[in-house]
Amino acid sequence: KAGVTQTPRYLIKTRGQQVTLSCSPISGHRSVSWYQQTPGQGLQFLFEYFSETQRNKGNFPGRFSGRQFSNSRSEMNVSTLELGDSALYLCASSFDSLTDGYTFGSGTRLTVV
Amino acid sequence: ILNVEQSPQSLHVQEGDSTNFTCSFPSSNFYALHWYRWETAKSPEALFVMTLNGDEKKKGRISATLNTKEGYSYLYIKGSQPEDSATYLCASLTGTASKLTFGTGTRLQVTL
Repeated sequence: KAGVTQTPRYLIKTRGQQVTLSCSPISGHRSVSWYQQTPGQGLQFLFEYFSETQRNKGNFPGRFSGRQFSNSRSEMNVSTLELGDSALYLCASSFDSLTDGYTFGSGTRLTVV
Repeated sequence: ILNVEQSPQSLHVQEGDSTNFTCSFPSSNFYALHWYRWETAKSPEALFVMTLNGDEKKKGRISATLNTKEGYSYLYIKGSQPEDSATYLCASLTGTASKLTFGTGTRLQVTL
């Protein structure tokens, strides 16, 4: 079966711009989570969506937002980019987080210059 | 324990050695504990999901145990091989089943 697909794989943006990242989960997975990884940091939780509803949000500024569509695909948006937003952004989907592990995408490497 | 903590931060072993890592997590309002393996240039891959106190899971040479009362889990690798070289992450679902919180991982390097 197809895995979790994230696009684009790489992105270079300028400070102040905005960016939208996309994630297509595994078919049948309704939960999609987003994580940020920066050097020296673990995976930092951004938000989780289930059936188009944001169920949980991490400790990130309001510049970070997301949404989920009826087909479970999810997008995350970062507005007014800062240099510190440079990171690997990972999306993960699951069917049931209490029994199944998350399946991760390959990530989007965002560089802000 | 307020966050998920892992130790050691890194480990370097010889091929054939057995090793283990520790994960500590908040024990109140516990839902599940996940273990992942993250190889360089790849995505994290799920190893185990455990929910019950005393749970023990095994996949080949890798096994894990869970103590939900005291909030810790151990991951064991028996007879390490170079292909086991990766970062091993644990993550807990605590307080809510919709936020998986990760530790910073244990980086394992296995040499010949």
